[in-house]
Amino acid sequence: DQQVKQNSPSLSVQEGRISILNCDYTNSMFDYFLWYKKYPAEGPTFLISISSIKDKNEDGRFTVFLNKSAKHLSLHIVPSQPGDSAVYFCAASASSGAGSYQLTFGKGTKLSVIP
Amino acid sequence: NAGVTQTPKFRILKIGQSMTLQCTQDMNHNYMYWYRQDPGMGLKLIYYSVGAGITDKGEVPNGYNVSRSTTEDFPLRLELAAPSQTSVYFCASSWTGGYGYTFGSGTRLTVV
Repeated sequence: DQQVKQNSPSLSVQEGRISILNCDYTNSMFDYFLWYKKYPAEGPTFLISISSIKDKNEDGRFTVFLNKSAKHLSLHIVPSQPGDSAVYFCAASASSGAGSYQLTFGKGTKLSVIP
Repeated sequence: NAGVTQTPKFRILKIGQSMTLQCTQDMNHNYMYWYRQDPGMGLKLIYYSVGAGITDKGEVPNGYNVSRSTTEDFPLRLELAAPSQTSVYFCASSWTGGYGYTFGSGTRLTVV
């Protein structure tokens, strides 16, 4: 049973436009959410995170939105750049309960930014 | 800082062989993790450790063993390699659990 779901395996966006990557979760114990970016032949690197007490967190071109009632979060990249082309993983953790303090990852969305 | 270092980067094993994937971190992190990533899939947790001498199973531990004798090292052992263990393995570490993991660059393992 997937607790973190990224239903879009891939996304293509024109350079300069907005990229929106979506993520849904089922475990109501999750209270911290992260996005990781992964280039081929490299390990994932941390991009941005959000705590469940917030509904938005911004870092430069990257903004993460959290809708707790819908158990949904999204990553917005504005403007998109060719260097943003990578696989983006959504991840979640819980501070208590079974499996606490472990990250659960989605399957990833491959973003291609077309020049 | 080197961060998290994994060796080897690539390996081909025959069915039934054994090997150890090495992972070392130089950030004095308490928490360390082993994940595997299969094609088109997310990262699945194999084992984790919250400190030297303490390890626990993750989601997919069968066929693997770990040890944590020091803060820096967290090796992953495959005793009897099977084709189902063909995957990319990532080691990660963090100050506290569930936040801000630093990942290594991965080990691509093929079992034939």
